[in-house]
Amino acid sequence: EVQLVQSGAEVKKPGESLKISCKGSGYSFTSYWIGWVRQMPGKGLEWMGIIYPGDSDTRYSPSFQGQVTISADKSISTAYLQWSSLKASDTAMYYCARRFGDYDHYFDYWGQGTLVTVSS
Amino acid sequence: SYELTQPLSVSVALGQTARITCGGNNIGSKNVHWYQQKPGQAPVLVIYRDSNRPSGIPERFSGSNSGNTATLTISRAQAGDEADYYCQVWDSSIYWVFGGGTKLTVL
Repeated sequence: EVQLVQSGAEVKKPGESLKISCKGSGYSFTSYWIGWVRQMPGKGLEWMGIIYPGDSDTRYSPSFQGQVTISADKSISTAYLQWSSLKASDTAMYYCARRFGDYDHYFDYWGQGTLVTVSS
Repeated sequence: SYELTQPLSVSVALGQTARITCGGNNIGSKNVHWYQQKPGQAPVLVIYRDSNRPSGIPERFSGSNSGNTATLTISRAQAGDEADYYCQVWDSSIYWVFGGGTKLTVL
């Protein structure tokens, strides 16, 4: 069974750093892209970026380029999303999701989400 | 950039047919995918490549795509179909794009 299990909720102060994780199981982790999606409170889905764990090839949405860093450790089947200096506007739910296949562009499995709250 | 436009809300009577649209410039030339998100839950893929249903998704869910509009159709709507629905496409310039989402209410 394919599963993406994300790390737990975080409460941080502005200016702090943060790294959240997404662990894949039940499939070949290095063969599928993992994307990250933001959902701000009461708002819609926004694609942030995507990584191919096999070779760490990474693409970012222009809206998030330079604001976050996406990485992966294939030895432990885990992808990461990190911030070096959080802002209150980073408060949101963050989902990781597996991209199906090499020629398709949809997400067939999703993590349960990680709620990040940034408040002074 | 490429934008997808969805109605903020759609209402449907119990047992009737709901249609949720997703507008985009020549969207018929792209593959459109649809996700269902219930309150407090992660999104779930309900339609991929315009009209294909993943395993486990009821036949009541169907999709079409032509011209400037893609449509998600939910037949015989049930109370359990109440959710937010998002369309999504891939564009070569900005990669993955989501619509703003549509809240489906079953009356």
